[in-house]
Parts: sequence; C-alpha cells; structure tokens
Amino acid sequence: DVKVTQSSRYLVKRTGEKVFLECVQDMDHENMFWYRQDPGLGLRLIYFSYDVKMKEKGDIPEGYSVSREKKERFSLILESASTNQTSMYLCASRLGGHNEQFFGPGTRLTVL
Amino acid sequence: GNSVTQMEGPVTLSEEAFLTINCTYTATGYPSLFWYVQYPGEGLQLLLKATKADDKGSNKGFEATYRKETTSFHLEKGSVQVSDSAVYFCALANFGNEKLTFGTGTRLTIIP
Repeated sequence: DVKVTQSSRYLVKRTGEKVFLECVQDMDHENMFWYRQDPGLGLRLIYFSYDVKMKEKGDIPEGYSVSREKKERFSLILESASTNQTSMYLCASRLGGHNEQFFGPGTRLTVL
Repeated sequence: GNSVTQMEGPVTLSEEAFLTINCTYTATGYPSLFWYVQYPGEGLQLLLKATKADDKGSNKGFEATYRKETTSFHLEKGSVQVSDSAVYFCALANFGNEKLTFGTGTRLTIIP
C-alpha cells in the first residue's frame, strides 16, 4: 500500500514564525502536491512538483514556498506565518501518468 | 477552466436510508471523475472513479455513473451505515493534467 506521511498532525505557531511542513511518500511517485482545506472551500492546490527539484505554482501559492530535494520528500514552507494561514494542510503523491492521488493524514496548523 | 459543484451539506440520514450526493462539473475535453472520502481525523481516500462516459465506478456499496450528457457524477448508496459518516469530495482531472479540481465537500452524518 502507498503510504504518505506528514510530520505533524497538529501544529501551533505564532504570527511571523517560519513554518516547515514535511511530507514523505514511500512509493517512488514522481508527482507530489500540497493542498489546504478550508470549510466551504474544499481543497485548493498550493504547489505541486513533477519531480525532484521541480515545482509549479498551484491556485493559491502566495505566502508559501516549497522544496523537493529528494524524490520521496516534499516540504511546504511558510516564510512568515499569518493568521489567515490557519488551516488543514494535506499532502498527496501520484505516480506519473496516472490520475489517482494518494493523501497523507493532514496537518492542522493554527497560527496565533 | 474546470470546476466541480456538489451538493451543499451537511446531510443527515438514518441508518439504512438511500443516499444521493449530487455532483456536476464543467471541463474541457473528457475528464476523469472521482469521489474521495475523508473519515474523521484522516486524509482523503479514493472511493471510486470513472474515466469515460457511461462508466460506472463502484466500491463499498457506493456507485456513481459518468453522465456526459448531463455533466454529472452523482454518488449513490442503497443502504447507508453509521460507518459511512464522513466528508465526501467530488473531483475531476483532465487527461494528462496532473491537477485535481475538487468540489467543496459534503459532510454526511448517519444516525442509528
């Protein structure tokens, strides 16, 4: 079974802090994704990565950056956290050429 | 661009009731269609999918038929159980496009 893990289930940070959210997949998938999930808005794509060191902006990249130095790991970075970034963050991975994405359990981030 | 519209929630049903969650979409070409489910405290899991018109996806007693003429992919189950309580997301992806477009999600609660 594909396993996608995220470094924390719950995280509380202060405004202005730099925040790192880590995601690891164990199935050698080329593509990885970061979404945020908010009530009434569904899932919105922040960034995705086709392969190592490659990244593309999604629909709401402002205030975020990403890093993919190794195939199995995709990091989401909040350079200076703000209260409007309080959300559930979901990571997903996908084998290239296939549509199905596999999701991690999510990180609920609260920015105070 | 692509968009997915799904039934507003929350939906509350009694055990063994019939379930329908409506989903309609707008997309260019011939997208693949998906239903994902999110159980409490977990990430999203693929429930079922259909890749071409008139295909029926099915899993765990749930079914959805890809209706190109009505651009719909409604989720149905004949007899729901308490364990079906979750948030359900309809999504689409165009062939060759890595990105999924999600609906806003429908929260389903089944009462004994």
